Amino acid sequence: DTAVSQTPKYLVTQMGNDKSIKCEQNLGHDTMYWYKQDSKKFLKIMFSYNNKELIINETVPNRFSPKSPDKAHLNLHINSLELGDSAVYFCASSNRGLNTEAFFGQGTRLTVV
Amino acid sequence: DQQVKQNSPSLSVQEGRISILNCDYTNSMFDYFLWYKKYPAEGPTFLISISSIKDKNEDGRFTVFLNKSAKHLSLHIVPSQPGDSAVYFCAAGASNQGGKLIFGQGTELSVKP
Repeated sequence: DTAVSQTPKYLVTQMGNDKSIKCEQNLGHDTMYWYKQDSKKFLKIMFSYNNKELIINETVPNRFSPKSPDKAHLNLHINSLELGDSAVYFCASSNRGLNTEAFFGQGTRLTVV
Repeated sequence: DQQVKQNSPSLSVQEGRISILNCDYTNSMFDYFLWYKKYPAEGPTFLISISSIKDKNEDGRFTVFLNKSAKHLSLHIVPSQPGDSAVYFCAAGASNQGGKLIFGQGTELSVKP
């Protein structure tokens, strides 16, 4: 009964391809996030959705498009993948406005070759 | 512009001794702070947090201290155990930022038996 689960855990793909990463949370949280951990190990927020509404978009290239079909799911679709997109992507969830901790998924290691 | 900094990339401590991990921040708007622990190939796991209205929060072997005037926080682990070996991330958030967390670059703690 994983709280925040994302699939796949590993993804290797060629430049120019389009890929999606899925995320689901069963914690009843109203806010979900995507974070990116780059090669220098910095964890940086990309997007945040609250009740299916985009509330944070951190100057991410528009090749990245998050989609939230309901408040328990936040998927990340990436078009025209580039070498620089290689990173670990983490999904997270929390309850907005309560200053509580965010719960993270196990990460998806994306490698673009 | 790194708003949250962990200047020590690594720390090695003997089992049973105290581990002290440090974190500095620059943004005065941050009003809550968190520590996460991360094992390889897993997502960050929440450890402990502190609100800006407090200067100390304790949970078992883990204590977080906040010095607002110095914009500095620290995590004390005592006694340290080999299972504590992991990367520790400091994170900060502001109540009006929709749950967005700004992370430091992490400190790798190694606790030696």
